Amino acid sequence: KQEVTQIPAALSVPEGENLVLNCSFTDSAIYNLQWFRQDPGKGLTSLLLIQSSQREQTSGRLNASLDKSSGRSTLYIAASQPGDSATYLCAVPYNNNDMRFGAGTRLTVKP
Amino acid sequence: DAGVIQSPRHEVTEMGQEVTLRCKPISGHNSLFWYRQTMMRGLELLIYFNNNVPIDDSGMPEDRFSAKMPNASFSTLKIQPSEPRDSAVYFCASSFEYTGELFFGEGSRLTVL
Repeated sequence: KQEVTQIPAALSVPEGENLVLNCSFTDSAIYNLQWFRQDPGKGLTSLLLIQSSQREQTSGRLNASLDKSSGRSTLYIAASQPGDSATYLCAVPYNNNDMRFGAGTRLTVKP
Repeated sequence: DAGVIQSPRHEVTEMGQEVTLRCKPISGHNSLFWYRQTMMRGLELLIYFNNNVPIDDSGMPEDRFSAKMPNASFSTLKIQPSEPRDSAVYFCASSFEYTGELFFGEGSRLTVL
């Protein structure tokens, strides 16, 4: 059974810091891994999708890496801003038709 | 594209009433998912459609829940009768093929009194 864990559960940093969010999964036979952002009262916004054949993906200040063999992914946020404050979730497909989500990391960037 | 569109955004109803949530997936996407999100259990997959056909409804909590997808551009999730424990945010999501990038709607927040 695929289990997805995100550490830390919450993170508070001052504006301008670079930070790393972690995601681990137990079954390495994944097609891809997706990172999402969720603002309070909103839906999930897709940030990055990494295919199993890729090691990383970049979008602006965001960089996501994938190490299938160790069952880990990281989301790196450079030069954090208050607008980055949100909950970040990672998800992996499981059993071809189910996305297993981590519980998320709640990020607060203080001005 | 307007993205995944859900309605209503908020629904407050009394126990025993029927609730119908609606979803319009992104045009061209052939996979549609219904999720439920609560503080206690996080995001749970309720049902998944591929090419309008229900593939896996093992996440549907009980017979009070039903979902349909009569065509590629519309899906409904119905709860009848509703109960207070059904209170949650219900999300619809779509993707092109089941392992493609997943896009979520804004959700329907259901409160059952």
